[in-house]
Amino acid sequence: AAGVIQSPRHLIKEKRETATLKCYPIPRHDTVYWYQQGPGQDPQFLISFYEKMQSDKGSIPDRFSAQQFSDYHSELNMSSLELGDSALYFCASSLQGAQNIQYFGAGTRLSVL
Amino acid sequence: KNEVEQSPQNLTAQEGEFITINCSYSVGISALHWLQQHPGGGIVSLFMLSSGKKKHGRLIATINIQEKHSSLHITASHPRDSAVYICAVLDYGGSQGNLIFGKGTKLSVKP
Repeated sequence: AAGVIQSPRHLIKEKRETATLKCYPIPRHDTVYWYQQGPGQDPQFLISFYEKMQSDKGSIPDRFSAQQFSDYHSELNMSSLELGDSALYFCASSLQGAQNIQYFGAGTRLSVL
Repeated sequence: KNEVEQSPQNLTAQEGEFITINCSYSVGISALHWLQQHPGGGIVSLFMLSSGKKKHGRLIATINIQEKHSSLHITASHPRDSAVYICAVLDYGGSQGNLIFGKGTKLSVKP
């Protein structure tokens, strides 16, 4: 069965550069969640989207933005990267109405040098 | 105080041992997840519970809503079970499904 696909799997950037992370949810899933897990940290919720609209916002920095497209895939855009942005970024998807069940992608590991 | 507490933080076991990882939470929840994270980071969802008990292979998860407590058990542990196990809850007041994560339990199973 198709799972949540994230790309790229690994990304290396320098300070002050920009990065775009992509998430392709499970087919027919309409809700996408983004999480950030710093080294040795537990994951923290960043933002979620339902039907292309932002549905909830967590600890997402102002330098980051995200959107969900008509095919339900989502992109997390990160600008003015800082060393502290180095982390594993997870995406999860679910069906609205069955939002208890989130399916996770394998994550994108971002290293900011 | 964290809203989701796990114990122990680290656990070393011998192959074949029965393992229990505990999770306590302080918020009202509508669901609790047990997740597995291997070195390299990928997260796999093991169970989603809202009541009772679930079993999948050698893994068993239980939840007591009244006591706000859940346990993950691994029977006949194997070195391939070595991973970080994370408890995550869906806050009852969290309308859009964002999870609150525990800090994880790092399990190492020795052959």
